[in-house]
Amino acid sequence: QQQVKQSPQSLIVQKGGIPIINCAYENTAFDYFPWYQQFPGKGPALLIAIRPDVSEKKEGRFTISFNKSAKQFSLHIMDSQPGDSATYFCAAFFGGSYIPTFGRGTSLIVHP
Amino acid sequence: DTAVSQTPKYLVTQMGNDKSIKCEQNLGHDTMYWYKQDSKKFLKIMFSYNNKELIINETVPNRFSPKSPDKAHLNLHINSLELGDSAVYFCASSHSARGHEQYFGPGTRLTVT
Repeated sequence: QQQVKQSPQSLIVQKGGIPIINCAYENTAFDYFPWYQQFPGKGPALLIAIRPDVSEKKEGRFTISFNKSAKQFSLHIMDSQPGDSATYFCAAFFGGSYIPTFGRGTSLIVHP
Repeated sequence: DTAVSQTPKYLVTQMGNDKSIKCEQNLGHDTMYWYKQDSKKFLKIMFSYNNKELIINETVPNRFSPKSPDKAHLNLHINSLELGDSAVYFCASSHSARGHEQYFGPGTRLTVT
């Protein structure tokens, strides 16, 4: 099973809120889990990534939480800003492969 | 000093035509990719080239043919365009040793009428 299931499809928060986007996978052969941020009219940009041997990774206001036993990982955006409004994609790579499987994306709107 | 660039940004054409999209990267990477993003924003890899050699070819109609004249360029030629080919096509690049860290271009929006 190569799917990566992402939820919610859309999310609206107020400035300063903490939006959380979740992804779940089935195949335990996945070993690299990135998140991408995509602004309208632009290409996806790698935001932050994690491997299964780590339960949490933080870069600035962005945090990935990883639950290996549940086969789930999530993106938290602390102190969200209107400039964070974008579509966020989770993805997963098989070990030794550079072919990503993407989630369906979450459209985030942060109101001022 | 754009890292990954694509031309054209927009492409409108009729069914049955042949068109090409060009991609160039100035990051010194040796691996390049083509992705398709459909109207629902679903992203799927199409091809990958490493040092001008095809290494990934996902299930893509053979009307799509990538060509890599050198490590910095990967073009996508599409024959006999169909309505279902309408999408945004993204080029990306990476270093082969760090293939997870892919840098995407700005995309080419292809509309087939």
